[in-house]
Amino acid sequence: GESVGLHLPTLSVQEGDNSIINCAYSNSASDYFIWYKQESGKGPQFIIDIRSNMDKRQGQRVTVLLNKTVKHLSLQIAATQPGDSAVYFCAENTGGGYQKVTFGTGTKLQVIP
Amino acid sequence: EPEVTQTPSHQVTQMGQEVILRCVPISNHLYFYWYRQILGQKVEFLVSFYNNEISEKSEIFDDQFSVERPDGSNFTLKIRSTKLEDSAMYFCASSDRVGYTFGSGTRLTVV
Repeated sequence: GESVGLHLPTLSVQEGDNSIINCAYSNSASDYFIWYKQESGKGPQFIIDIRSNMDKRQGQRVTVLLNKTVKHLSLQIAATQPGDSAVYFCAENTGGGYQKVTFGTGTKLQVIP
Repeated sequence: EPEVTQTPSHQVTQMGQEVILRCVPISNHLYFYWYRQILGQKVEFLVSFYNNEISEKSEIFDDQFSVERPDGSNFTLKIRSTKLEDSAMYFCASSDRVGYTFGSGTRLTVV
C-alpha cells in the first residue's frame, strides 16, 4: 500500500488572486536560492532563483523575496491560474549553483476556479 | 530547451535484485546529481559527481549505491540489492555555472 508521507501545508487561492508561498531556511551560509514547482508524477521544475546579494527578483508573474536577516524566502505568484496548482519547494545551496540543493518540505497550492 | 532525460520512467523490481537507472544530462553541463523522493516527502540529495568522481554523498548513499559515467553522455545510478524502502522517485540533475536542471524522474517500485 501507499506510504504515509509528510503532511504538506496547503494554500488555497481563488483563480485570479495573488498567491504568496513562504519558506524558512536554516543555513546562514546558503548563498543561492531556488523555487521549484512540482506537478504530480513529474520532476522539480525551475521557477525562479535569487542570489544572496539580492533581496528581490522578478520573473514572469512571479517574484521572489529574500530576507537574509530572518532567513526567509517567499514566492509571489500574480493572477494565479489553475495551471499553477502544484507543490512548490524552496531550495538552497552554498555553491552558487554547482553543489547539492537542499529542499524544503513544500507547500501545496490549490487554485479554485 | 535542453532537457535532462531519464530512462525508464517506471521500473518494477524484485527485492534483492540490482537495478540501473539511466540519465542523459544536458550536454555541456559538468556537474551531475542524483536525488530521490519517497512518496509524499521532500526531495533528498543522494550524490553529486564531477570530473569523473563523486564530489559529495549523503548518508542515504551507502555501499548499495554506485554511480558511473560510462561514456560521454550517460550518467547511471546502480542499486546493488534493492530493498522495499528503496521504492521512490529518483531524479537526475545536471548543472553548470548558470542552470540547474532536473529530469522527470524514474519511479522505482520494489516488490
